[in-house]
Amino acid sequence: KQEVTQIPAALSVPEGENLVLNCSFTDSAIYNLQWFRQDPGKGLTSLLLIQSSQREQTSGRLNASLDKSSGRSTLYIAASQPGDSATYLCAVPQLKGGSEKLVFGKGMKLTVNP
Amino acid sequence: ETGVTQSPTHLIKTRGQQVTLRCSSQSGHNTVSWYQQALGQGPQFIFQYYREEENGRGNFPPRFSGLQFPNYSSELNVNALELDDSALYLCASSRSNREQFFGPGTRLTVL
Repeated sequence: KQEVTQIPAALSVPEGENLVLNCSFTDSAIYNLQWFRQDPGKGLTSLLLIQSSQREQTSGRLNASLDKSSGRSTLYIAASQPGDSATYLCAVPQLKGGSEKLVFGKGMKLTVNP
Repeated sequence: ETGVTQSPTHLIKTRGQQVTLRCSSQSGHNTVSWYQQALGQGPQFIFQYYREEENGRGNFPPRFSGLQFPNYSSELNVNALELDDSALYLCASSRSNREQFFGPGTRLTVL
């Protein structure tokens, strides 16, 4: 059974810091991993999707890496801003019968203080 | 291109009632998945519909049911509501088993 863990559950930092968010998964037989952002009470916004053949994926100040063999992914946020305050979730796909479901971590709540 | 939309935004029901939530998939997408997200938790997979058929289900009781229509929009129905059904319900659409795109969610409160 695939389990996804994100530690810590919350992080509070001053503006301008470079951040590393961690995600671990138990079953390394994945074909991609996705990072999402969620603002309070809102839906999920996809930030980055890394295919298993890739090691890294970048978008602006965000960089995500994937190490399947160790069951880990990291999301790096450069020069954090108060607008980055949100909950960040990682998810991996799992095939179940004929369907693909996403298995999520519980998320990490980030607060960036001005 | 229109993204995934959900209605209503918020809903308040009482225990034992029934509720229907709606989702319009993104243009060109034929697969809809539903997730339940309790406060402080990650989303949990409820079920998935592909071409109007349920093709996968998570650990949810039969009182959670769904439909997908020929235009690929979908409904989630929950009967005999319980307090623990209070959550954010998220819909995601995709082309077959490819990247899923999420809607804004429906916040259900059961009193």
